[in-house]
Amino acid sequence: DIQMTQSPSSLSASVGDRVTITCRASQSISNYLNWYQQKPGKAPKFLIYAASTLQSGVPSRFGGSGSGTDFTLTISSLQPEDFATYYCQQSYSTPLTFGGGTKVEI
Amino acid sequence: EVQLVESGGGLVQPGGSLRLSCAASGFTFSDHYMDWVRQAPGKGLEWVGRTRNKVNSYTTEYAASVKGRFTISRDDLKNSLYLQMNSLKTEDTAVYFCARVEGRAYYYYMDVWGKGTTVTVSS
Repeated sequence: DIQMTQSPSSLSASVGDRVTITCRASQSISNYLNWYQQKPGKAPKFLIYAASTLQSGVPSRFGGSGSGTDFTLTISSLQPEDFATYYCQQSYSTPLTFGGGTKVEI
Repeated sequence: EVQLVESGGGLVQPGGSLRLSCAASGFTFSDHYMDWVRQAPGKGLEWVGRTRNKVNSYTTEYAASVKGRFTISRDDLKNSLYLQMNSLKTEDTAVYFCARVEGRAYYYYMDVWGKGTTVTVSS
């Protein structure tokens, strides 16, 4: 199985900050990497596929990059509604696997 | 409006069974693969399994943690997805989400999620 490791597991930031979250795969997954956002008590929300393609309606302050084993999610200017937990997920092969999550706190 | 609504969760004893349902609306259900994903209390997301569409012979795949105990099925006429859970263990306690799978040139992602249904396995 492909293991997905996110770092950091949590971070503190302020509104307007630039935030970067890292996701590493245990083997090359090309760019078969998705990102999701989850707020407490809510279902995950899909943000990005193919490592860098934004889902329609996702604000342009969100950006993804990477290929192979190393990926990043960047929020260019953190907004109050962005405080949440973010998960990466590989779609290269089954079983599909998620990273452990990164909690973005105030 | 595209929507997924899970139901069927509850309290069950270890070794028991439960069947979850997911009702889909607002899109052509039969076209899509569908996934189940769970989240144990205070933990991250765990993929449970997938059912593909008719074009792909309704094939299913499962996480190792549930293989042989859980069965995913679908009824395209009823726009419904199911998760039959047998031989439940305490570690199956979680919120269970159903999710629509969308595909773009072999890139697959879960773009629509239900709100989830809670399963508690306890004596």
